[in-house]
Amino acid sequence: ELKVEQNPLFLSMQEGKNYTIYCNYSTTSDRLYWYRQDPGKSLESLFVLLSNGAVKQEGRLMASLDTKARLSTLHITAAVHDLSATYFCAALKGWYGKLIFGQGTELSVKP
Amino acid sequence: DTAVSQTPKYLVTQMGNDKSIKCEQNLGHDTMYWYKQDSKKFLKIMFSYNNKELIINETVPNRFSPKSPDKAHLNLHINSLELGDSAVYFCASSHSSGGAGDTQYFGPGTRLTVL
Repeated sequence: ELKVEQNPLFLSMQEGKNYTIYCNYSTTSDRLYWYRQDPGKSLESLFVLLSNGAVKQEGRLMASLDTKARLSTLHITAAVHDLSATYFCAALKGWYGKLIFGQGTELSVKP
Repeated sequence: DTAVSQTPKYLVTQMGNDKSIKCEQNLGHDTMYWYKQDSKKFLKIMFSYNNKELIINETVPNRFSPKSPDKAHLNLHINSLELGDSAVYFCASSHSSGGAGDTQYFGPGTRLTVL
C-alpha cells in the first residue's frame, strides 16, 4: 500500500531564511506532485515531477525527486510572508489518477 | 472564467438528511474526481470518472453515490448524512486519468457541516 509522509508537519520560519520540506513515499510511484493550499481555499498545483532527478523551480520554491530514495523535497529560498500556506505532496498510485496525499506541512513565515 | 466550479460552497444540514454537491469543469478534461478533506486537512480520494465511466471507487460508505451525466459534470449525492460526513469536499479534473503526469485541478471546495 502506498503511503506518503511529509515532515515537518509544522514549520515556522523567519523571513529571509531557507528551509526544506521532505516527502517520503513507501512504494514505487512514477509521479510526484506538490500543491499549495491557503486557509479556506482550494489546492493550487505547484509542480509535477515525472522522473528520477527531476528538478523544477518557480520563484523561491524548488522541488526535486529521487525515485530511488522515494523522496521528494520542496526547498524554500529566502522565505517571504506570502509563502505562508499548507503544502501537500502527493504520489500517483497506478494509472487512473489516484493521488495519495501526504499530511501537509503548515508553513508560517514571520517577519 | 472558473475552471472547476462547485455548488454549494457551504452546506449545513441535519443528520439523516440527503444532500447533493454539484461540480462542473470547463477545461475540456476527460477525468473528474471527488476528494474529502477532514478537519485535520487530510485529503483522501473517493471517486473518479473518466468519460462518464467510474474508474476509482474507494472504500466509501454506499450512502455516497457519484453521478456523471456528461464528462464536464460530476455530482455527489449523500444519503442519510452522519456527523462524521462533516468535511470539505473537493472536486478535481484532469486531462486524462493519470497519464503523462496530468495535473489535477481542484475546485473551490464545499464545506459540509452535519448537525
